[in-house]
Order: sequence, then C-alpha cells, then structure tokens
Amino acid sequence: AQTVTQSQPEMSVQEAETVTLSCTYDTSENNYYLFWYKQPPSRQMILVIRQEAYKQQNATENRFSVNFQKAAKSFSLKISDSQLGDTAMYFCAFALGAQKLVFGQGTRLTINP
Amino acid sequence: GAVVSQHPSWVICKSGTSVKIECRSLDFQATTMFWYRQFPKQSLMLMATSNEGSKATYEQGVEKDKFLINHASLTLSTLTVTSAHPEDSSFYICSARDHRQGVASPLHFGNGTRLTVT
Repeated sequence: AQTVTQSQPEMSVQEAETVTLSCTYDTSENNYYLFWYKQPPSRQMILVIRQEAYKQQNATENRFSVNFQKAAKSFSLKISDSQLGDTAMYFCAFALGAQKLVFGQGTRLTINP
Repeated sequence: GAVVSQHPSWVICKSGTSVKIECRSLDFQATTMFWYRQFPKQSLMLMATSNEGSKATYEQGVEKDKFLINHASLTLSTLTVTSAHPEDSSFYICSARDHRQGVASPLHFGNGTRLTVT
C-alpha cells in the first residue's frame, strides 16, 4: 500500500518570504501522480500543483514549484513570495492513475503580515 | 472549469436517524466518485469508491451497511449515513474526475458536508 508522510505539522513565515513544505511517499510502483492540495478555512480542496512521475522536469505554477526527487521518493512544495491568502492546510497526495488519492497528514501553513 | 456540487453543506440530525448527502458533477460525467471523511485538524481518509451502475468499493474498516453509497447516474452519487451516532459527526467530502479526460485529469472536490449528530 502507498503511504504519504508530511513531517511538518505546522509552519509559519512572514509575508513575501519563501517557504518549503516537505513530503515523502512510499510506493513500489514506477508510474504515478503526485499532488499538492490547499485547504483554506472554507475547507474547499484546491489543487495547487501536480507532477507526473515519468516527467523529470519539476512542475511549476506561478509562485508554486515542486522539487521532485523520484529516487528519494520526495516531493516538496516551494511557495515563493508568500501571500496572506496562502494561509491554509496543505496536503500532499499520491495516486496511481485514475485510482484514489492517498493524502498525507497535512501541514498547517500560516503567513504572517 | 469542472464543478462538483455537494449538498447539504451542513446538517444536524438526531441519533438513530439517517442522513443523505448528494454529490453531483455539474458539467462533466464521472464513472467514479470518491467519498472522504475528515475529522477536525486531520487529513482526508478515503471511505469508499463509488462506481456508476455497480457496487461501491469500501476501504478497510468502513461499514458498508452503515455508509450506503449509490451511484445511479454519471453525474450523481449519494452517501447515506444510516442510524447515525454522535461518533459519525465529521466532515464528509466527495470528489470526482471527468472520465473523458483520462487518468491524468485531476480530481475535483465538492465543498463538503459538515454532519453533526446530537
């Protein structure tokens, strides 16, 4: 079974700083998908970024980028120029194709003014 | 973009009663929908995979007779919590993928349902 681990329960940075959230996963599969989801206080799940395991290039979406290390089974999220609206729970998730998403424990990120 | 509508947003019910939660894909069709449960300050735990026209697949430890899932059409899945108890109080979230976009397409989430059983 696949597992996802987020070792940072909480993080806090000042506005405009850069922050990196850690995620490791365990799988014996070679082809899979990795995701970062954001859950603000509204509790709506919002897709931040995704990575296909067969792609070596790290995914980027504006201020969000990942550092995907397949051999190390690591998938960290970097948020540049953090904004107050980035305050939320962040979940790392793993999926095999169209199958279910397996979520990590989450990291509560607070951006301070 | 793809929208998943979940209803109701919140519901309060008495112990022993049943509650139905609906999950609709508004502008796409979904052969599979997923039901998650989230306790306060915790992660999302998959309860079951809802399959259109067939039986749902339940995760280990989830009582299928208590959490009834029906996926009668390509746009609607329902979760019924039967004989609800206070320990069933939680946040329930559904998600779906547009099956026409293939396996790489992202999951779209509903806004969730906060269930409180008194």
